[in-house]
Amino acid sequence: KAGVTQTPRYLIKTRGQQVTLSCSPISGHRSVSWYQQTPGQGLQFLFEYFSETQRNKGNFPGRFSGRQFSNSRSEMNVSTLELGDSALYLCASSLQPQETQYFGPGTRLLVL
Amino acid sequence: AQSVTQLDSQVPVFEEAPVELRCNYSSSVSVYLFWYVQYPNQGLQLLLKYLSGSTLVESINGFEAEFNKSQTSFHLRKPSVHISDTAEYFCAVCSGNTPLVFGKGTRLSVIA
Repeated sequence: KAGVTQTPRYLIKTRGQQVTLSCSPISGHRSVSWYQQTPGQGLQFLFEYFSETQRNKGNFPGRFSGRQFSNSRSEMNVSTLELGDSALYLCASSLQPQETQYFGPGTRLLVL
Repeated sequence: AQSVTQLDSQVPVFEEAPVELRCNYSSSVSVYLFWYVQYPNQGLQLLLKYLSGSTLVESINGFEAEFNKSQTSFHLRKPSVHISDTAEYFCAVCSGNTPLVFGKGTRLSVIA
C-alpha cells in the first residue's frame, strides 16, 4: 500500500504570497491531520479533517486554512505569507480519528 | 490540557551501548501514547504505540517502551544502539477527542 504523499516537497515563496499544499492519504484512510514543524516551536497541530469536515483546529491565525475532498485528499492554504511561516508542513492520515496516524515526508516551505 | 515533556533534548551514546529516552505526559484522562522517529529530511515514522493491554510495547528494530501510569511516563529504551539509530525521536499523546500532542523531541546521536 502506498504511504501518505505530499506535494510539492519543496517550495520557495516571498512574503505576502499565498501557497497551497496537497496531501494524499493512505488508501482507505479518511482522517487527515496537518502539523507545522519548526526548530523553535517543534511540532504544532494545525487542523484535522474527517469526511470533509474539520474536526479540530489548532491555535493558528485565520491565514491558515484547509479542506478535504470526497476522496479524502486534503489541501492546506496559507495566505499572506510571513517569514515565520517557513517550516516543514507534515500531513498524517489515519483510518478514523483517534486512530494511529501515519505521516508523509512533508513539504518544506521557505518564505523569503 | 495534555502536554508531553521529553526531558533530554540531546542524547549522545556510543554504538552498542544501551539508551533510554525519557518521556513524561500530563493528562487527566486515559491516554494513547506513541513514539515517532524522524530521520534527516524525512517525515515521522511510527516506532511503537501503547493503546491498551500490556504496558510493555516493542518495535521491530529492538526498541521498547513501558507505559507507567503512576509515574505518567512512557520511556523509550534500546539495549544496544546502532549508528543507524541516529535520528530525532518524538513522544506523543492523545486522548478522547483531542489531537495528537508532541514533545519537543530528543536528538539521539550514536557515536562509533
